Amino acid sequence: AQRVTQPEKLLSVFKGAPVELKCNYSYSGSPELFWYVQYSRQRLQLLLRHISRESIKGFTADLNKGETSFHLKKPFAQEEDSAMYYCALRYFGNEKLTFGTGTRLTIIP
Amino acid sequence: GAGVSQSPSNKVTEKGKDVELRCDPISGHTALYWYRQSLGQGLEFLIYFQGNSAPDKSGLPSDRFSAERTGGSVSTLTIQRTQQEDSAVYLCASSSHSGQGSEKLFFGSGTQLSVL
Repeated sequence: AQRVTQPEKLLSVFKGAPVELKCNYSYSGSPELFWYVQYSRQRLQLLLRHISRESIKGFTADLNKGETSFHLKKPFAQEEDSAMYYCALRYFGNEKLTFGTGTRLTIIP
Repeated sequence: GAGVSQSPSNKVTEKGKDVELRCDPISGHTALYWYRQSLGQGLEFLIYFQGNSAPDKSGLPSDRFSAERTGGSVSTLTIQRTQQEDSAVYLCASSSHSGQGSEKLFFGSGTQLSVL
């Protein structure tokens, strides 16, 4: 079964400090990994996807198949990064997108 | 154009009553998803529709839950004989399925369901 684990429900980081949100997934086949973000009073939206190898709002995430991880990182946190972050997983050929339980990130000014 | 639209935005009901939640996906999007968002549970997959294919109902928690999608567009999620544990935010999302993977999901603002 597809499973996504986000071990931290809450994470607080000082402004300017590095951020790392952890995500691990169960392995079976070829995974597609995503990070979705929900800012206060806004809709859930895509932040980035591993297949694009992009940096969005300073965030990056590298798929590590050996460790089955897809941690989200940013070198210098900003106050506007405070939000709920969800890691999500889908396998090629299966359209069901499975989400983790989410991590609420709070940036301390 | 408009994004994914959900109605009502809030619904308060009594235990045992039936409720219907509506989702209008983005025009032209063939894929439609329902998720349930509750504290500590993250986003729980409920059901997925893709075009005229049989829906993936594997996430529906009980036979009190059902969903349909008419004309490949609007979808209705129905919860019969609601229970207090059904209280949650119900999110709908749509995407343009191309079969190439990595399609972005566009989410609605959700329906907050409260069962008293």
